Amino acid sequence: GAGVSQSPSNKVTEKGKDVELRCDPISGHTALYWYRQRLGQGLEFLIYFQGNSAPDKSGLPSDRFSAERTGESVSTLTIQRTQQEDSAVYLCASSLEYSADTQYFGPGTRLTVL
Amino acid sequence: RKEVEQDPGPFNVPEGATVAFNCTYSNSASQSFFWYRQDCRKEPKLLMSVYSSGNEDGRFTAQLNRASQYISLLIRDSKLSDSATYLCVVSAGGTSYGKLTFGQGTILTVHP
Repeated sequence: GAGVSQSPSNKVTEKGKDVELRCDPISGHTALYWYRQRLGQGLEFLIYFQGNSAPDKSGLPSDRFSAERTGESVSTLTIQRTQQEDSAVYLCASSLEYSADTQYFGPGTRLTVL
Repeated sequence: RKEVEQDPGPFNVPEGATVAFNCTYSNSASQSFFWYRQDCRKEPKLLMSVYSSGNEDGRFTAQLNRASQYISLLIRDSKLSDSATYLCVVSAGGTSYGKLTFGQGTILTVHP
């Protein structure tokens, strides 16, 4: 079946602009996660959605970052007033509710802030 | 101190070699442990879970020592296709269930 998809695959923006990144999880996966990977670094957890529960936003680095999820489907990660340090690959993952530790990743969106 | 620390690498080994990666984690409440593999400019993919009893999947063997908070991955008879970055991953469980903490990764290059 189809895996996790993300769009756009690449995004170049100017400092100060807002960007929206999209994630389509695997059908039937109730849990959805966003991570960030800076060049040469490990993945950093950003936010976690599980069903209708309040999302775990503990990894969001600042109030410029926000994310929404529509039901158990698409999620968007929004970064307002982008800064150069926001440049990274943003990875989305999804999982079944009771296998939250087994996550399937999308190909990521490479964000470059000039 | 980072929550998950790995050998810095890189490791450059010939085909057929045996190579071992180590990882330590700082949160004693951690419940689940994994090795992920990430190819260059690709997304991470689960390689294997790690259990206290140790587990093996073909040429790959993973070990967990909870007392020492130490995880290892052994690759036997290395193949060119094993070249990748290997990520040590930990989950705290409980209210943090699903929130994975990744190590920085260890780069492996297998050469002919």
